Amino acid sequence: EAQVTQNPRYLITVTGKKLTVTCSQNMNHEYMSWYRQDPGLGLRQIYYSMNVEVTDKGDVPEGYKVSRKEKRNFPLILESPSPNQTSLYFCASSSSPGADTQYFGPGTRLTVL
Amino acid sequence: SQKIEQNSEALNIQEGKTATLTCNYTNYSPAYLQWYRQDPGRGPVFLLLIRENEKEKRKERLKVTFDTTLKQSLFHITASQPADSATYLCAPRIGTYKYIFGTGTRLKVLA
Repeated sequence: EAQVTQNPRYLITVTGKKLTVTCSQNMNHEYMSWYRQDPGLGLRQIYYSMNVEVTDKGDVPEGYKVSRKEKRNFPLILESPSPNQTSLYFCASSSSPGADTQYFGPGTRLTVL
Repeated sequence: SQKIEQNSEALNIQEGKTATLTCNYTNYSPAYLQWYRQDPGRGPVFLLLIRENEKEKRKERLKVTFDTTLKQSLFHITASQPADSATYLCAPRIGTYKYIFGTGTRLKVLA
């Protein structure tokens, strides 16, 4: 089954404790992206990747890092999480940057205390 | 700045009626625009895409229009059903790699 998976699905952590949210897709997609979703603000793009070792900032990259060492994986790293990063995070992928469809993962709900 | 506006209020309609959702954008000209459905606690699911040179696109009970002069897209669900209740997001694509999402319109179809 074609899918985007994220782990963990739920995470409660404390300020300053480094964490990684993993994202993996099994569709051999080139393009992957991370979003955060907050009430009243909608989905905002954090980072995206056009292919292995090629990444760029989206609209809200501050406080986040990403890497793309393999085509299927695109982890989101919070080196020093802060409470304002409490949010619902989604990973998405598509066959190419200009493809018609983005496939979204199930989401990771992060709470930073 | 780039801005996407969708009906901020929830839309309640009676089963069997046509639901019409609006997406307005400013300050840029997207090559195409996508519509997604999102259920509570789940990731968005792609529904339809319409390109700037297309006026209308249909898929089963769904219809999308795209007016580049008005900078507006309309999303219609005909013969609506309670199972159509969800939040609907529009997402114009700007540039090659970037998408901007609206905050969504929550639709509730009453039986």
